[in-house]
Amino acid sequence: AQSVSQHNHHVILSEAASLELGCNYSYGGTVNLFWYVQYPGQHLQLLLKYFSGDPLVKGIKGFEAEFIKSKFSFNLRKPSVQWSDTAEYFCAVNAKGTYKYIFGTGTRLKVLA
Amino acid sequence: EAQVTQNPRYLITVTGKKLTVTCSQNMNHEYMSWYRQDPGLGLRQIYYSMNVEVTDKGDVPEGYKVSRKEKRNFPLILESPSPNQTSLYFCASSLLQQANTGELFFGEGSRLTVL
Repeated sequence: AQSVSQHNHHVILSEAASLELGCNYSYGGTVNLFWYVQYPGQHLQLLLKYFSGDPLVKGIKGFEAEFIKSKFSFNLRKPSVQWSDTAEYFCAVNAKGTYKYIFGTGTRLKVLA
Repeated sequence: EAQVTQNPRYLITVTGKKLTVTCSQNMNHEYMSWYRQDPGLGLRQIYYSMNVEVTDKGDVPEGYKVSRKEKRNFPLILESPSPNQTSLYFCASSLLQQANTGELFFGEGSRLTVL
């Protein structure tokens, strides 16, 4: 079955700490990979995406993610978080050539000032 | 301003009373989609549409209907709502050529409670 797993449901960090959020997917074919962010009271927005090529992709606000094909993983990282990074983060996949998306369960990040 | 507008934003209703959640976008997007967000389950796709009169099921279509008679509108219809449809609903849209690139514009969500 197609699925996306996010291992951490809640993460609490202090400002300037490093962040890594795990994402693993199970899918039979080739996929596009995404991270979305939902700030409190706001709608979801795309943080970064991977289609092909360099497995390390950089997104907005200093976030990056690494695609490791052998592990079916697409972990999100940020070297130094800020209070304004407090949000919920969703990993998602989309089978290439289709219009269906599968989202993970989300990780709530709280950054303490 | 480019936006996806959902109405109502909040609704409390009772079992069996038909309701419609509207979604409208002003970006001339071909692709539109509905999701529900539930704690511990993330976002799950209900239906999507690639253009007028073209719709397809997502992962959790049971209990929902959609229609796409106009490009800008994609209403979600709950013919006979049940408590398990209590959820936060999101509409999203995109240009068709970007619809599988993650470039989705999301609405602000509609929180529905079915008693």
